Amino acid sequence: QKEVEQDPGPLSVPEGAIVSLNCTYSNSAFQYFMWYRQYSRKGPELLMYTYSSGNKEDGRFTAQVDKSSKYISLFIRDSQPSDSATYLCAMRGVPNFGNEKLTFGTGTRLTIIP
Amino acid sequence: NAGVTQTPKFQVLKTGQSMTLQCAQDMNHEYMSWYRQDPGMGLRLIHYSVGAGITDQGEVPNGYNVSRSTTEDFPLRLLSAAPSQTSVYFCASSYKFGGLNTEAFFGQGTRLTVV
Repeated sequence: QKEVEQDPGPLSVPEGAIVSLNCTYSNSAFQYFMWYRQYSRKGPELLMYTYSSGNKEDGRFTAQVDKSSKYISLFIRDSQPSDSATYLCAMRGVPNFGNEKLTFGTGTRLTIIP
Repeated sequence: NAGVTQTPKFQVLKTGQSMTLQCAQDMNHEYMSWYRQDPGMGLRLIHYSVGAGITDQGEVPNGYNVSRSTTEDFPLRLLSAAPSQTSVYFCASSYKFGGLNTEAFFGQGTRLTVV
């Protein structure tokens, strides 16, 4: 069983819809949670970063972490065609305690239909 | 400010050949790492470095070597290429979020095919 599970999709939604992307994980040592966006044939770029449980909002993007359920989410409001990309979740533990390495989900491919 | 630069962008190797994938960053980041990305597998860590002269193995290190003689450069060497090493390779460079190193900046990738 992988430490981080992510539905690979593909996921297609109409422009303007709310998108929900999710990951589950099994390692309770994970404390830092990230979402990356990767356009086709490009490198991943950091989108959101969250420490421990709670919500974080940045424009149209909201990241949620529920450590009790080992579940993280990324919400995209008012989705745009330019949001079409693969979204990768990533997480890691506290530095210097053997959990520094970043573990990625396999990515969800998202298409926003104009 | 160029960020993270990887060369070459594309490469075809014959089985048994060796080569070096170059990675350079101009952000004075201490933490650098190499990943490979394969369909359905996500990004898997090959090797990483927390500073010049310090390297360590990641999840899939076999068949690869690294060294870190300067802060800026972190080359990845394939010792004897195998078809299983056909993949897209990403170098990443990171800064600290509140004391935590994290892979914030990725290069554009090197697409390697081993025939």
